[in-house]
Parts: sequence; structure tokens; C-alpha cells
Amino acid sequence: EPEVTQTPSHQVTQMGQEVILRCVPISNHLYFYWYRQILGQKVEFLVSFYNNEISEKSEIFDDQFSVERPDGSNFTLKIRSTKLEDSAMYFCASSFLDRGNTEAFFGQGTRLTVV
Amino acid sequence: QQPVQSPQAVILREGEDAVINCSSSKALYSVHWYRQKHGEAPVFLMILLKGGEQKGHEKISASFNEKKQQSSLYLTASQLSYSGTYFCGTEVYGGATNKLIFGTGTLLAVQP
Repeated sequence: EPEVTQTPSHQVTQMGQEVILRCVPISNHLYFYWYRQILGQKVEFLVSFYNNEISEKSEIFDDQFSVERPDGSNFTLKIRSTKLEDSAMYFCASSFLDRGNTEAFFGQGTRLTVV
Repeated sequence: QQPVQSPQAVILREGEDAVINCSSSKALYSVHWYRQKHGEAPVFLMILLKGGEQKGHEKISASFNEKKQQSSLYLTASQLSYSGTYFCGTEVYGGATNKLIFGTGTLLAVQP
């Protein structure tokens, strides 16, 4: 069964450092998303991406965050200067359609720890 | 606005039933239900699109009351594998793309 894959599974970084989280969405999917989940809390929407541009972003997704689809398969989330409060599980998701009877498939997540 | 789920947590014995509710203050286009086990990604259960729609997946079913902006997830004859945190994800009218706003979560623990 096709799946969304994320690397790395764990990332520890020092405050102020840049991190890039990588995702390979399902190959025929057109819509890509990043969500994050702070430990023990709900899953929060960060950004959606379609046709090589951001479709929508949340208040969390400030200037420190950026997304990119550098080639035909990868979808990345960059945090320019990490803060302690960026520590969370980051999930990438993809879907074939944007609305309607379509599910978003989630990757296994990258646990980011900022120290 | 984040949908509110109730109850926050429920403990069941195998074979018992449970209902998880999801309420939104905004008009809903659709409701998605996910189950997340500890340390894992959310796993899709089902989508409900139309008001009054009901769906089933094995012994897990759901309904969507569009007028009341609510959805309920029904778990019947629960199994140990049903344990996890259940989230509803809502799409509101006027929202772009498949932007899911997840609910507060309901922790379900099924005991032998």
C-alpha cells in the first residue's frame, strides 16, 4: 500500500539552528500538508501546498517556516532558527484531491527536539 | 475555532460500546475521523460529507448532523485494538484545500 514517508524519524537540534524535515508524499497525490503535534496535545495544521505554492497557512506558520518541493518527489519543511517551543512531532500528509471524499494520508512523523 | 470533543477520556472493557462526540461552532463541510496510537501517526477512519450521512467501518460507524454542526463516532463491541486517541478533523465552509482543524481528542482505553 502506498505511504507517506518522512525522514528523519528523530531530530535533535540546538536552539537557533536551521532544520529541514523531509517528506515523500504518495506519488499521484497533488496536495501536501504539514501538521505538528506538541507532546500530549492536538494535531495542528501548519500549511497546505498545491501546484508549487502555498495554498493556506496557519498563524503558527510564521516567517521562520518555509516549505518547498525541490523535485518531483520530496516535500520539505524548513525552520530557519529553531526555538524551544518548536519541539513537537511534525507530520507530513498528502491527498489526491483538496476537498470532498478524499482522505489525507499521514506519514509516521519526525520528532523534533530543540535543546 | 477548534472543535470540541467529548468525552475527554473513556475506559471500556472489551465488548462494551462507546460514543465520541465532536462539536463545532462553525458550519461544517465535512468531518474526518482519525485514530492515533501513542507515538504513531493519525490513521484515517472515515469521512462524512453530507448532513445526515452515516458510515460504517467494521464495528466503527459515524454520523454527521450538519444542522447541529456535530458528528458522533460509534464504537460497538470494542476490541483491545481500538485503544488510542480519537480525533475529529473538520473542514469548514469557505476554507481552502483540505485544511483539517482537529478536535481536542478523546483518549479511549479498552481493557481485557
